Amino acid sequence: GEDVEQSLFLSVREGDSSVINCTYTDSSSTYLYWYKQEPGAGLQLLTYIFSNMDMKQDQRLTVLLNKKDKHLSLRIADTQTGDSAIYFCAESTGGYQKVTFGTGTKLQVIP
Amino acid sequence: SAVISQKPSRDICQRGTSLTIQCQVDSQVTMMFWYRQQPGQSLTLIATANQGSEATYESGFVIDKFPISRPNLTFSTLTVSNMSPEDSSIYLCSVAAENQETQYFGPGTRLLVL
Repeated sequence: GEDVEQSLFLSVREGDSSVINCTYTDSSSTYLYWYKQEPGAGLQLLTYIFSNMDMKQDQRLTVLLNKKDKHLSLRIADTQTGDSAIYFCAESTGGYQKVTFGTGTKLQVIP
Repeated sequence: SAVISQKPSRDICQRGTSLTIQCQVDSQVTMMFWYRQQPGQSLTLIATANQGSEATYESGFVIDKFPISRPNLTFSTLTVSNMSPEDSSIYLCSVAAENQETQYFGPGTRLLVL
């Protein structure tokens, strides 16, 4: 079955870059997503990348995809305290298909 | 993107009772999904709900425990039946229209079973 793995915790200083990594096993994954969940809040779609792309940039966010190694990363430039949250990597074979989520990485930003 | 609301936003329930969670979306969508997020865990898909057909359940989830309704293209309900403390979770609905590349999630219903 599908499996998505992430490290559980990342701590960075305010102003530094954060890099959250993810690996997945399903070679048929078509879309790879990054969601953000703040304490007590719902799930916010941050960005996503199609499997035939290797990079996507959106303001402070950069997504890198290594399809050969099934490795996805999210880089947050100039990390702010408001970026403190849990970040979920996820994959699916289509927007209207089941989304398989990773374990989530808790990002702590130190002022 | 779709605007999704869920009711109730949170509840505290006694074991043995049932709770029905509503999910309303502001546009017609093909697919609606129900996920569970147990404390400190990731999200797990419970079932997929299409309008006009029976919901499709994932392994480990059954209709008797989690009956789902999908009466139209903008609304769905999930019932958590005969609750036990292990059912304490956040329950989230998500939606996707056909040919959309992403799913959008509701704010979640935080359930505590005593």
